Amino acid sequence: DTAVSQTPKYLVTQMGNDKSIKCEQNLGHDTMYWYKQDSKKFLKIMFSYNNKELIINETVPNRFSPKSPDKAHLNLHINSLELGDSAVYFCASSQDFWAELFFGEGSRLTVL
Amino acid sequence: SQQGEEDPQALSIQEGENATMNCSYKTSINNLQWYRQNSGRGLVHLILIRSNEREKHSGRLRVTLDTSKKSSSLLITASRAADTASYFCATDTGNQFYFGTGTSLTVIP
Repeated sequence: DTAVSQTPKYLVTQMGNDKSIKCEQNLGHDTMYWYKQDSKKFLKIMFSYNNKELIINETVPNRFSPKSPDKAHLNLHINSLELGDSAVYFCASSQDFWAELFFGEGSRLTVL
Repeated sequence: SQQGEEDPQALSIQEGENATMNCSYKTSINNLQWYRQNSGRGLVHLILIRSNEREKHSGRLRVTLDTSKKSSSLLITASRAADTASYFCATDTGNQFYFGTGTSLTVIP
């Protein structure tokens, strides 16, 4: 059983399009995250969320938005994609904020 | 700038040798964690050390923490080819969580 699963694994799209990446965790965790990893492998937190609080990294453009239909899912919506959005996006979850994080396998987004 | 910086950026060793990588950070922390990332995969949690701990072991891993110097080290003993990966430290400051820049470890069979 995959603990944190995200789809799609690869996503190639044109500038200006809108896309979504889905994330599901079956660990019963209360907190989920989205990270962006750039070509130099630097990991940047984008959002952290539990059923009480959404923390948004202020440097994230508002074209990015998290959507959580329930505790086990945190999807990432991206509007008006730009070339600089190309990266690997990781979903993660943990029991509490900043406890041991469990990561998905990543979604590689390429914007042409 | 980010909280954690790792050193060296890249490390290449022979199988069976020990590998040591270091992490320095800037502000006080609650805990520090180490993660491994194999190429093309997600990060995997290795070990967590709390601010009141100085050393922790897990299998072939040994982590030290020196809060006075704001630094931590990860030692992998008797390395194996399967240890080839990038290693990241991550610091919990209480209201933020930062990953370091990572050390790329290559273990040559």
